[in-house]
Amino acid sequence: GAGVSQSPSNKVTEKGKDVELRCDPISGHTALYWYRQRLGQGLEFLIYFQGNSAPDKSGLPSDRFSAERTGESVSTLTIQRTQQEDSAVYLCASSTRLAGTGELFFGEGSRLTVL
Amino acid sequence: AQKVTQAQTEISVVEKEDVTLDCVYETRDTTYYLFWYKQPPSGELVFLIRRNSFDEQNEISGRYSWNFQKSTSSFNFTITASQVVDSAVYFCALEMNRDDKIIFGKGTRLHILP
Repeated sequence: GAGVSQSPSNKVTEKGKDVELRCDPISGHTALYWYRQRLGQGLEFLIYFQGNSAPDKSGLPSDRFSAERTGESVSTLTIQRTQQEDSAVYLCASSTRLAGTGELFFGEGSRLTVL
Repeated sequence: AQKVTQAQTEISVVEKEDVTLDCVYETRDTTYYLFWYKQPPSGELVFLIRRNSFDEQNEISGRYSWNFQKSTSSFNFTITASQVVDSAVYFCALEMNRDDKIIFGKGTRLHILP
């Protein structure tokens, strides 16, 4: 498709389980961002990938969170040993990444519910 | 440290009124970029505008206008003659040129009442 695609759109899991969230950016977009949005809250930066550079992981809240990206394509956000506080919508965005042209194109998000 | 503050958590106005959403930012960088995004009830964020730190000209697009003032580190957004379809959460965002990280404010939830 033409837009940013995220899967699953909804995930319900039990506390302590691991989850993987996937993001397919727009083709040709070198930059990819993950954000977390808790219910009724703002967007919390998690991690940023730009081409083959080392990712900016400064927003990851704990070592239970990790993310990978293969080249300039798909990214996976992994949350290990999920906690109830991890319940949120996880948003992925991509852009062409010339500085300041940064219109972000967002996916519809993956809603994670940890029981 | 970089920070974006949207002090207004929630605003309600009656249709056709004008409304201004405030955004105050903090950065030590001299080159940076500011954005506004809209998140309608459907959930998907939509880009509205970007501004670079060297361009303080105000911008108008239809019923939307933006007032960028470096002296007060503010980038406010005004909707003129509001409509029910403007009801959404609006986010202000800041990007630093040196690291490209884009951080968002907590958003302002806008209710336009018929």
